[in-house]
Amino acid sequence: EVQLVESGGGLVQPGGSLTLSCVASGFTVGNNYMSWVRQAPGKGLEWVSVIHSGGNTYYADSVKGRFTISRDNPKNTLYLHMNSLRAEDTALYYCARDGPIVGATLFDYWGHGTLVTVSS
Amino acid sequence: EIVMTQSPAILSVSPGERATLSCRASQGVSSNLAWYQQKPGQAPRLLIYGASTRATGIPARFSGSGSGTEFTLTISSLQSEDFAVYYCQQYNGWPTFGQGTKVDNK
Repeated sequence: EVQLVESGGGLVQPGGSLTLSCVASGFTVGNNYMSWVRQAPGKGLEWVSVIHSGGNTYYADSVKGRFTISRDNPKNTLYLHMNSLRAEDTALYYCARDGPIVGATLFDYWGHGTLVTVSS
Repeated sequence: EIVMTQSPAILSVSPGERATLSCRASQGVSSNLAWYQQKPGQAPRLLIYGASTRATGIPARFSGSGSGTEFTLTISSLQSEDFAVYYCQQYNGWPTFGQGTKVDNK
C-alpha cells in the first residue's frame, strides 16, 4: 500500500528556515517523480516543486531561489528545505507522488500534509 | 503561466441529481487535464486524468470531457459522499490548478 507521511511543519518567524520531510512506503521515491503542493488556509492548491527520477529539480516562481527539494534514496524520503520564509508561505504542505502518467506532473498519491505557519 | 478558471464557485445539488462542473484554460492544454476531489480535512484525491480517464477505484458516475481550453466534470447521480470541493489541474506546462468548485447540498 502506498503511503506518504509528512512532518517538520511548525511556527517560524519571517526570514526563518524550515525543512519538511516526507517518508514514503509501498514504492521507491528514487524511481518516481515526487512533488510538493501547498494549500494556504481556506484557499486552493499551488504546486511548489518537483524532483524527477533522474534528479532534475524544478520550482514554482513563487519559491525559486528560496526552497530546495531533495531526496534520500536509502531512507525513501523526500525533503523540502525552505529559507527566507514569508507570511505568504503559510500553508499546509502536501507531499505527492507524480502519476499515473510517467513524466507528467499530476498527482496520484498524497500525504496528509504538514502545516507551516510564518508569523512573528 | 496557464490560468485555470472554474465555474461555478458553488454548485448546490440534491442527492440523485446530476452535477456539471466547468473548467477553462487560458491557453490550450490538449487533453492534459486532471480533476481532484477534496473533502474537509483530507488531501485531494485524483478522480480523472487525460481529461476523461477515471483513476483507479473511481466510480463510473464520475466522467470527464473536453480538450483544448474547455473541460467538464460530470457526476451523473450525486451521492452524499460526493459533497466536496473539486479542482481541475492542467499538466501541459508546469502544473496549475483552478480555484475550485464547492458542491454542496441544496
